[in-house]
Amino acid sequence: NAGVTQTPKFQVLKTGQSMTLQCAQDMNHNSMYWYRQDPGMGLRLIYYSASEGTTDKGEVPNGYNVSRLNKREFSLRLESAAPSQTSVYFCASSQRGASYEQYFGPGTRLTVT
Amino acid sequence: AQSVAQPEDQVNVAEGNPLTVKCTYSVSGNPYLFWYVQYPNRGLQFLLKYITGDNLVKGSYGFEAEFNKSQTSFHLKKPSALVSDSALYFCAVRSNQAGTALIFGKGTTLSVSS
Repeated sequence: NAGVTQTPKFQVLKTGQSMTLQCAQDMNHNSMYWYRQDPGMGLRLIYYSASEGTTDKGEVPNGYNVSRLNKREFSLRLESAAPSQTSVYFCASSQRGASYEQYFGPGTRLTVT
Repeated sequence: AQSVAQPEDQVNVAEGNPLTVKCTYSVSGNPYLFWYVQYPNRGLQFLLKYITGDNLVKGSYGFEAEFNKSQTSFHLKKPSALVSDSALYFCAVRSNQAGTALIFGKGTTLSVSS
């Protein structure tokens, strides 16, 4: 039982390049989330998927797109990377419902130069 | 609007002493409250949550938290700190109203000295 896995762990991009961050969970959770963590700012929600087939914007969606490929997988795409997207990205999953805790992956550290 | 505040960027305690990490919140409706811990270069780990019922909630690794509705607070506590408790702690809140997101505080770094 691996929980939530993310690939890659580290990535360096040049401004304007694109990439996709992958996330998978094996806990049969309905809901999945993408956050970014910046120093002194806590975690901010980029996009979430309450259930398979649905996605919604979070607090900071600009510059990102997501795909809920199936119940297990939720990917985050940067179409044209910018230095402001340098951050640590976390994927999380949970049972559907406000009272359930979220389980986090190990994170992807992205640097855009 | 929902918000959560962690008023201390850093808390320093000596090993064996009690620790408190503070959290206050603002939501419409009844709150669901969570504490997470993050060790260096790792993802967040769930510690405990308050949904309803007893105001004192017990969680992992000997941590507990007290929900105080009148003060809109949910402080994390531990009776006797360990050096291994040194980490970054996040409080998070969500309203029980449909369609609301989980909002995280900015985090508090706990440093336990031996």
